[in-house]
Amino acid sequence: QQPVQSPQAVILREGEDAVINCSSSKALYSVHWYRQKHGEAPVFLMILLKGGEQKGHEKISASFNEKKQQSSLYLTASQLSYSGTYFCGSWGGGSNYKLTFGKGTLLTVNP
Amino acid sequence: EAQVTQNPRYLITVTGKKLTVTCSQNMNHEYMSWYRQDPGLGLRQIYYSMNVEVTDKGDVPEGYKVSRKEKRNFPLILESPSPNQTSLYFCASSLAGLPSSPLHFGNGTRLTVT
Repeated sequence: QQPVQSPQAVILREGEDAVINCSSSKALYSVHWYRQKHGEAPVFLMILLKGGEQKGHEKISASFNEKKQQSSLYLTASQLSYSGTYFCGSWGGGSNYKLTFGKGTLLTVNP
Repeated sequence: EAQVTQNPRYLITVTGKKLTVTCSQNMNHEYMSWYRQDPGLGLRQIYYSMNVEVTDKGDVPEGYKVSRKEKRNFPLILESPSPNQTSLYFCASSLAGLPSSPLHFGNGTRLTVT
């Protein structure tokens, strides 16, 4: 079952902040975040693991609430280059190695 | 250069004509996977492979086959393509299986089935 992302779309002016949320109806063991620019492949941003470990880019921050089965991606002081579609992917643990992505959040940063 | 290479980038075919989309990675990754991307639906996993011995279905495997005879290659096979398989396809790989290894995506294959 796909995780649910919100909002579906957001428009910012350069320098503004945004939060993208990802929630699952199932227990989460890890959450991946990727950004896809139009016509390109998705690019890795961050992995959050149960227990608090994070891997990713220094300028990106995110949180992972295991109890609420939610993750949030924080984009601060947005730049034009932040524009794109953001996807979260969830893994529910066990021997099933499916990474299920949400439908995406379209972020547009205007000058 | 470390990369995931898909071929072809664009493919137009007719209903029922078997086709193969190739995927190769040069990073010695264990895990490989295929996704399809459709407007409004995000990325949906078709098949994945933990290693050359283990392949399993994703969320939308119907109408697709895969093969993992070598570590570096993971072709996607459509035995009898139908118009509802018109989509943008991505191959991805990661060093180890989930949960802690990031996926590296290929540049995509845009398939049109008429």
